[in-house]
Amino acid sequence: GQNIDQPTEMTATEGAIVQINCTYQTSGFNGLFWYQQHAGEAPTFLSYNVLDGLEEKGRFSSFLSRSKGYSYLLLKELQMKDSASYLCAVMDSNYQLIWGAGTKLIIKP
Amino acid sequence: DTEVTQTPKHLVMGMTNKKSLKCEQHMGHRAMYWYKQKAKKPPELMFVYSYEKLSINESVPSRFSPECPNSSLLNLHLHALQPEDSALYLCASSQAGSHSGANVLTFGAGSRLTVL
Repeated sequence: GQNIDQPTEMTATEGAIVQINCTYQTSGFNGLFWYQQHAGEAPTFLSYNVLDGLEEKGRFSSFLSRSKGYSYLLLKELQMKDSASYLCAVMDSNYQLIWGAGTKLIIKP
Repeated sequence: DTEVTQTPKHLVMGMTNKKSLKCEQHMGHRAMYWYKQKAKKPPELMFVYSYEKLSINESVPSRFSPECPNSSLLNLHLHALQPEDSALYLCASSQAGSHSGANVLTFGAGSRLTVL
């Protein structure tokens, strides 16, 4: 079966750095996405990785290792507004998006 | 215009009602999606329209009926729903057809549905 694992909840301090991990087992791979979702709102796109390595976009970076079935989202200089759920999603060989359950990130002052 | 607009934002309906959720995008996107999301769960795909044709129906009960009148509009017709259908219904669109790699989804704000 297809499976995506990410931690259920993480806590971090304002101004710090946090890494949210995602491991996946899917039938084929056509890219990995990270979305941010604030409570009661729609998901918004953060990043896309299809090749191994690090993609940096401002305070957010995303890393992919296809051989290990592993990705992480790195958030630097955390702000209170970064409190949200972070969803990892993998596009499989049929171009279907397989979603992880999401990681709820709590930022404390 | 870089938005996906959904109406209504909130809907309360009885189990015998017929209602519709509407979604509109003017980004020229060629694929449109309906997702259902329960609290603290990831979005669940319901339907995909690619180039105005239904390309994916994830075994959704017939009480949900999608319609794509044109490339900018997507409706979800609701009839004889159950209380367990209460959820956030998200519409999304993507630039390419549904069978494409870097297919970033742009989501609408959602319609929160409560079935009494």
